[in-house]
Amino acid sequence: EAEVAQSPRYKITEKSQAVAFWCDPISGHATLYWYRQILGQGPELLVQFQDESVVDDSQLPKDRFSAERLKGVDSTLKIQPAELGDSAMYLCASRRGGVENTGELFFGEGSRLTVL
Amino acid sequence: AQSVTQPDIHITVSEGASLELRCNYSYGATPYLFWYVQSPGQGLQLLLKYFSGDTLVQGIKGFEAEFKRSQSSFNLRKPSVHWSDAAEYFCGGGSYIPTFGRGTSLIVHP
Repeated sequence: EAEVAQSPRYKITEKSQAVAFWCDPISGHATLYWYRQILGQGPELLVQFQDESVVDDSQLPKDRFSAERLKGVDSTLKIQPAELGDSAMYLCASRRGGVENTGELFFGEGSRLTVL
Repeated sequence: AQSVTQPDIHITVSEGASLELRCNYSYGATPYLFWYVQSPGQGLQLLLKYFSGDTLVQGIKGFEAEFKRSQSSFNLRKPSVHWSDAAEYFCGGGSYIPTFGRGTSLIVHP
């Protein structure tokens, strides 16, 4: 069964360094989400894409975070510079679009970031 | 603001016992609600969802949830818990921009 692919699974970095996470959604899924999940909390939406366009990035800290989905397929989330408070799991999810949309999100296994 | 509340941070049950995880919502007239499960170190998997129709919703792995408008609740239930059900459970809402509660950690004792 097709899955959402994310890499790296784990990333340890020092504060002020740059980090990047990659996500490849299920083929044909038009909508892509990036969530941040701090330990012990629920996922919080960072950014939502519809194809290559940003639909909602109101919760994305734009002074240090950026996200792109240039060809409407895979996506990259970047943090520069990383801060201690950025330590979290970064989850990517995708969803079918149009009439095939059942509302279900399909999640990747996540990228766990530790900032030292 | 539209949101869900999961009042229990941890729930401990014995294997074979019944389970109910609580979720309260504050959404509009016809909320889209769901439950996801997350095993340690993994992504989230949809258990069940409700949008309209029958208020008792059946999901995967033997779970069900009941939508009660009068109580603004969407509690998750399972009649007999297995050790493999130990995980984090998230209630949430919204079909276009899904938002999640803080989660309830389920601990299963043998």
